Amino acid sequence: DTEVTQTPKHLVMGMTNKKSLKCEQHMGHRAMYWYKQKAKKPPELMFVYSYEKLSINESVPSRFSPECPNSSLLNLHLHALQPEDSALYLCASTTGTGERANEKLFFGSGTQLSVL
Amino acid sequence: GDSVTQMEGPVTLSEEAFLTINCTYTATGYPSLFWYVQYPGEGLQLLLKATKADDKGSNKGFEATYRKETTSFHLEKGSVQVSDSAVYFCALSDYAGGYSTLTFGKGTMLLVSP
Repeated sequence: DTEVTQTPKHLVMGMTNKKSLKCEQHMGHRAMYWYKQKAKKPPELMFVYSYEKLSINESVPSRFSPECPNSSLLNLHLHALQPEDSALYLCASTTGTGERANEKLFFGSGTQLSVL
Repeated sequence: GDSVTQMEGPVTLSEEAFLTINCTYTATGYPSLFWYVQYPGEGLQLLLKATKADDKGSNKGFEATYRKETTSFHLEKGSVQVSDSAVYFCALSDYAGGYSTLTFGKGTMLLVSP
């Protein structure tokens, strides 16, 4: 299994809603990432978890709350979002084992989020 | 900080034409370099990578050579197909603490017509 699976594929939410994005991988990877991608732009790093610990938070607003319940799962909890948060949210993983030859990232297909 | 510069798109080609997408980078240390491809409505797929100077990455007819002297990693393909139409991102990795973070270029859209 060489996939990163993200659910849901599409999500529409209002500004007062609470929702969660889910990401799962069964490749034994120990580093997992959330990226945000606006239309026609490159992905921007939001968070990195290494060995289930938050290692990087790129000054992301607190209305985005990541969670890594175990080594295979990564969630992104959303609350009180703004319309400008509408974007494709991509999850990625990598081995995280310290071997540089394995540093390529595997990306999921993303969740297309629309905030109304 | 690290940065990646790609040629502006869209690049419009006819099928079987030769493709070059330019990519240059600025980085401290010795980053690994990557080309990722994104098809409409999908996530990013690794196309090829190179981890040190003079390495050539190749996959599906695409090639790129890590040129340290010119800080470049240009993507080439000898004969493009309609199915190659996608957005191509050049990226470099900053490796620390046992994991990588990627810095992406702005992306280049490739449109191939029959």
